[in-house]
Amino acid sequence: DAGITQSPRYKITETGRQVTLMCHQTWSHSYMFWYRQDLGHGLRLIYYSAAADITDKGEVPDGYVVSRSKTENFPLTLESATRSQTSVYFCASSTWASGNTIYFGEGSWLTVV
Amino acid sequence: KQEVTQIPAALSVPEGENLVLNCSFTDSAIYNLQWFRQDPGKGLTSLLLIQSSQREQTSGRLNASLDKSSGRSTLYIAASQPGDSATYLCAVSSLGENTDKLIFGTGTRLQVFP
Repeated sequence: DAGITQSPRYKITETGRQVTLMCHQTWSHSYMFWYRQDLGHGLRLIYYSAAADITDKGEVPDGYVVSRSKTENFPLTLESATRSQTSVYFCASSTWASGNTIYFGEGSWLTVV
Repeated sequence: KQEVTQIPAALSVPEGENLVLNCSFTDSAIYNLQWFRQDPGKGLTSLLLIQSSQREQTSGRLNASLDKSSGRSTLYIAASQPGDSATYLCAVSSLGENTDKLIFGTGTRLQVFP
């Protein structure tokens, strides 16, 4: 049972480049989320999705794009990476929004130089 | 806007001690509250989920309580062990238009030494 997996786990990229972080879950959960975790800010929601083809902004969506063509995948794209987007990114999934237990991936460490 | 605060930011205790971690939130109109554990370099693992109608939840040596009216939750860890060392985060789901989202505190980093 793979659960929820993120790739790549570690990435160094240059300012201005496009980067895509992948997230895949095997449970067929309806809800999927992308968070970023920064020292002093805790976890902040970037985007979330209630189902395939349904996405919505979270607290800090600027500079990010998401899509969800299949229930099991929820990629996050940084269109033109900036140093302020250096962070740890966590993907998560749940059967129903925040009403049930939410499951997190192991994280993707992104450094923008 | 809902804000979640966890105090202290860090805590160091000897093995065997019972301890309490605190979580406070500014808007009492919540749907539920969850406690998570995060090990270094890892994702979050859900420990306990308390629905707004509940007062507490227990799992093994962990007990979480919820007092909505005062905007507080506590996570009680009995007979702490070195393996309990981790960062503990609480998160709330607010009612109304924000039921889809969890608002996280910044966490309490716990170290249990032998």
